[in-house]
Formats: sequence, C-alpha cells, structure tokens
Amino acid sequence: AQSVSQHNHHVILSEAASLELGCNYSYGGTVNLFWYVQYPGQHLQLLLKYFSGDPLVKGIKGFEAEFIKSKFSFNLRKPSVQWSDTAEYFCAVIAGGTSYGKLTFGQGTILTVHP
Amino acid sequence: GAVVSQHPSRVICKSGTSVKIECRSLDFQATTMFWYRQFPKQSLMLMATSNEGSKATYEQGVEKDKFLINHASLTLSTLTVTSAHPEDSSFYICSARAGRAKETQYFGPGTRLLVL
Repeated sequence: AQSVSQHNHHVILSEAASLELGCNYSYGGTVNLFWYVQYPGQHLQLLLKYFSGDPLVKGIKGFEAEFIKSKFSFNLRKPSVQWSDTAEYFCAVIAGGTSYGKLTFGQGTILTVHP
Repeated sequence: GAVVSQHPSRVICKSGTSVKIECRSLDFQATTMFWYRQFPKQSLMLMATSNEGSKATYEQGVEKDKFLINHASLTLSTLTVTSAHPEDSSFYICSARAGRAKETQYFGPGTRLLVL
C-alpha cells in the first residue's frame, strides 16, 4: 500500500523567510499529488494539485510545489511566508489505479510564522 | 467554491449510545463521499468511501457494523457510530467529490466526538 511521509512535524519561521516542506511518497506507478492546508479552526482546503504535465505546480496564496518523479517527492515551497500562513499542511496522494480516488495523507506539518 | 458541512460540530455522549454525524454538500452533487478519522497529532485516516445509492467500501480494520454509513442522496451522507465507547472518541471528517476519481475532494469542518 502507498504511504506518504512528511519530514517535519513542526516548522517555525519568521515572516519573510522562505519555506520548503518535504513530502515523499512510496508508490511506483502513476500518482496524483495534493497539498492541503488547515488554518486554525477551519477545515482542510486545497492549496494545489498535480495530475500531469509541468512538474512545477503553482497554487493559491503564492505556494508552489515541484514533482520530482525520480525522488518520489512533492515538496511545497513559498519564497516569503506571512504570519497568515500559520497552519497545518498535509501532503496527500492518490495512487494510480485506485478506482475511487482514495487519498492517502502524510502526517502533517505544523507551520508557525512569527511576525 | 464547493462547500461541505457537518453536523454536529461536536458531540458528547455516554458509552453505549449511538451517535449520528451528517455530512452535506451544499452547492454541488457529491457522487462520492469519504469519511476520515483524525487522532491528535496524527494524519487523517480514511475509514470508508460511500457512493450514492450503494453500500460503503470500508478500509481494512474498520468495523462496518460499528461505523454505519449511509449515502442516501447526492448531497447527504451519514456516519453512525453504534454503541460508542471511549476509544471511539476522535475527530471525524467527511469529504465530498462531485465526479471522477481525480476530481478534487472538498472537506467538511469535522465533528469532535467525545464518549464518556
């Protein structure tokens, strides 16, 4: 079965710092990749997704992620974080061939941005 | 954007009672709904997948007689935790998808269940 691993449980940054959150998955076939964000007290929201094509995907709020197939990675980046980016971030994968589109989530990374 | 609601947002019940949680897609028809469980400081774990009008598909290790799922319409799915026990206390989250397997899932706000 596929699994998703997020390297950092908690990341603390100051405003304007650059962000990179790691995500690796274990599945050898075709995958669809997602990053979701959960702001304090709110529900999960989609940040960005990759299905095919350009491996550099741009999402909302200045976030982007790069799919590197050879490394089984889909890291999330933002050049300059803001206090409002404080949230928990989840990487998720749909493995190819899963007829009903089952999402497998990583453990989540809590991002705290200090003003 | 697509909105998914859950009711109730939190519930406290006595051990042995049953609890029903509703998941509704407010502005789209959800052919498929998913139920997740999230333990503190852990990720979301898929419990089951339900398609409108058919039986739910449960993940390995999830007791289908314990967690009853009904997806009676294209906008409503319910999860009933039967004979709840303290170990069932958790955060239950639903998501809904409008179309094919690759379509985006939209998540509800979650329901906090505490069984005393």
